[in-house]
Amino acid sequence: SSELTQDPAVSVALGQTVRITCQGDSLRSYYATWYQQKPGQAPVLVVYDRNVRPSWIPDRFSGSSSGNTASLTITGAQAEDEADYYCNSRDRSGNHVFGTGTKVSVL
Amino acid sequence: EVQLVESGGGLVQPGRSLRISCAASGFSFDDYAMHWVRQVPGKGLEWVSGINWNSGNIGYADSVKGRFTISRDNAKNSLYLQMKGLRAEDMAMYYCIKDVSNNPYVFEIWGQGTMVIVSS
Repeated sequence: SSELTQDPAVSVALGQTVRITCQGDSLRSYYATWYQQKPGQAPVLVVYDRNVRPSWIPDRFSGSSSGNTASLTITGAQAEDEADYYCNSRDRSGNHVFGTGTKVSVL
Repeated sequence: EVQLVESGGGLVQPGRSLRISCAASGFSFDDYAMHWVRQVPGKGLEWVSGINWNSGNIGYADSVKGRFTISRDNAKNSLYLQMKGLRAEDMAMYYCIKDVSNNPYVFEIWGQGTMVIVSS
């Protein structure tokens, strides 16, 4: 079972802001990394080192962290942001572990 | 352009072995750690194994430890996953991933995956 818990689904109106959260004790020690996966596609790196975006990710995506909770915020959500989002960190053994995933719907 | 092309997936009987491969191009392969992550269709992601740039640091998920072996050939720009004693629960899409660092850290670039089907 995953040691990182995410809400199964969230929805956001087009152009509005949505925050996706990830909870786990390991987040007190390790940064969360976030991945986006659209249907039929491989995941894509969105944010790492708490709030570093790769060059291919628009600046409407941002990451933050507090205590045992990491968050990915989409400010001004677009239709193309509709996807599954997974957080990732480490478990007690130091191995990588993924969150349960959040399906984001843009209305 | 970074490219990761997985191959070797397919149908295999429970208990048998299979080796999947990943051909990398577009970057200096021997400068980066690499990983395998799998996903059962319609389900979440599971990290399987990771290897640092010189094969000196290797890790496995508990679910595959002792059955799977990750390796790399830097001269051939290739990553491998040898899977033995395959089980029904190993059936998944297997993604090859380039890290951002030379030691296992962040899954930066993902291949399109190769499907492993375990069934009699």
